[in-house]
Amino acid sequence: DTGVSQNPRHKITKRGQNVTFRCDPISEHNRLYWYRQTLGQGPEFLTYFQNEAQLEKSRLLSDRFSAERPKGSFSTLEIQRTEQGDSAMYLCASREGASEAFFGQGTRLTVV
Amino acid sequence: AQTVTQSQPEMSVQEAETVTLSCTYDTSESDYYLFWYKQPPSRQMILVIRQEAYKQQNATENRFSVNFQKAAKSFSLKISDSQLGDAAMYFCAYRGLNWGNKLVFGAGTILRVKS
Repeated sequence: DTGVSQNPRHKITKRGQNVTFRCDPISEHNRLYWYRQTLGQGPEFLTYFQNEAQLEKSRLLSDRFSAERPKGSFSTLEIQRTEQGDSAMYLCASREGASEAFFGQGTRLTVV
Repeated sequence: AQTVTQSQPEMSVQEAETVTLSCTYDTSESDYYLFWYKQPPSRQMILVIRQEAYKQQNATENRFSVNFQKAAKSFSLKISDSQLGDAAMYFCAYRGLNWGNKLVFGAGTILRVKS
């Protein structure tokens, strides 16, 4: 296992289009997190899964955002009707128990 | 709500010298974790060092050490013998025992290392 993997690395989309990102966590990690990072800022929490259950969602996660982790392994984050304000780096992290979080390289979204 | 503040947007250090990055946080919890993460340009975030709040001893990892002052809610990172590869954005982060154990990050400090 080579760590947390995110695809695609970069996505350019037109405003109003839908986009979907994928995160493959470290295989034995039952906890998976999504964060959003805008330029020059620290990551902000979006949502959290323990196994397949989505246990917490930030108020940052508007109705246009949806995340799933159907089998408790990989996760997807979908943004519908993208807006320019959605342009950011979307980071996925996973961990097990009390361990630290391991991050993927992120998906950079640009909405034009 | 927990908050993390990094008051230094940017720091510079000469190669082989020592630099200290500052971090303060606010919480009403008595037990929690604190972290320093490093994010090189266009690369993934990696853990530098971790501190459990119940431990009075400051964490150390090779050239990296922290000064954890629980009463003052301060958690600074000291990098000794700075190397060019230390140049990155550094984030201080808090993780409580509740709230899904998510990380709360500061805004980050850009560290530049001069040769």
